[in-house]
Amino acid sequence: GENVEQHPSTLSVQEGDSAVIKCTYSDSASNYFPWYKQELGKRPQLIIDIRSNVGEKKDQRIAVTLNKTAKHFSLHITETQPEDSAVYFCAASLLLSNFGNEKLTFGTGTRLTIIP
Amino acid sequence: DGGITQSPKYLFRKEGQNVTLSCEQNLNHDAMYWYRQDPGQGLRLIYYSQIVNDFQKGDIAEGYSVSREKKESFPLTVTSAQKNPTAFYLCASSIWTGFNSPLHFGNGTRLTVT
Repeated sequence: GENVEQHPSTLSVQEGDSAVIKCTYSDSASNYFPWYKQELGKRPQLIIDIRSNVGEKKDQRIAVTLNKTAKHFSLHITETQPEDSAVYFCAASLLLSNFGNEKLTFGTGTRLTIIP
Repeated sequence: DGGITQSPKYLFRKEGQNVTLSCEQNLNHDAMYWYRQDPGQGLRLIYYSQIVNDFQKGDIAEGYSVSREKKESFPLTVTSAQKNPTAFYLCASSIWTGFNSPLHFGNGTRLTVT
């Protein structure tokens, strides 16, 4: 089955700096890579996702890059703000037309702290 | 906000007792899921259901049971057979299980068994 490794487990950055979280996956067939953000005491929420047919996707200050050859993908947050402090989870899955979410394998999470 | 409601937020039980965690959604989603979250570990899938009256085991189903009698509801029972039941439990739903269907999570239930 799929195995997802996520690094680092904790990350502290100065407000305004950039943060990068990296994940590697084992199953070369995986084609869907979402990132979830979980603020303290709150539910995880999808912040961005990428499919294997693209190499990069951006949404304002957040971007995700995918290297299929190396089987790794990364979350980039630029101009970090205090509200970016949270635990971030990456995940990987083979997503097809009628199944896939149940195959999602999550990373172990990165606790990001933005220092004011 | 609407979406998925899990109750209660905190639950305490004695060892050897079964306990049921509630999960209700008003999103009209077909698929529902139960995850377990432990410190330093990713979310692990316990059970999922793609449709009413049907459910499937996830990666760590031993010691758990579920039912899906209504589209809106997917309760999880933690039985006395679950060896390490103390954990944070998250319920989720999605329109269906395939493409273009991200997971929507509840706020979770923290279960403590002593």
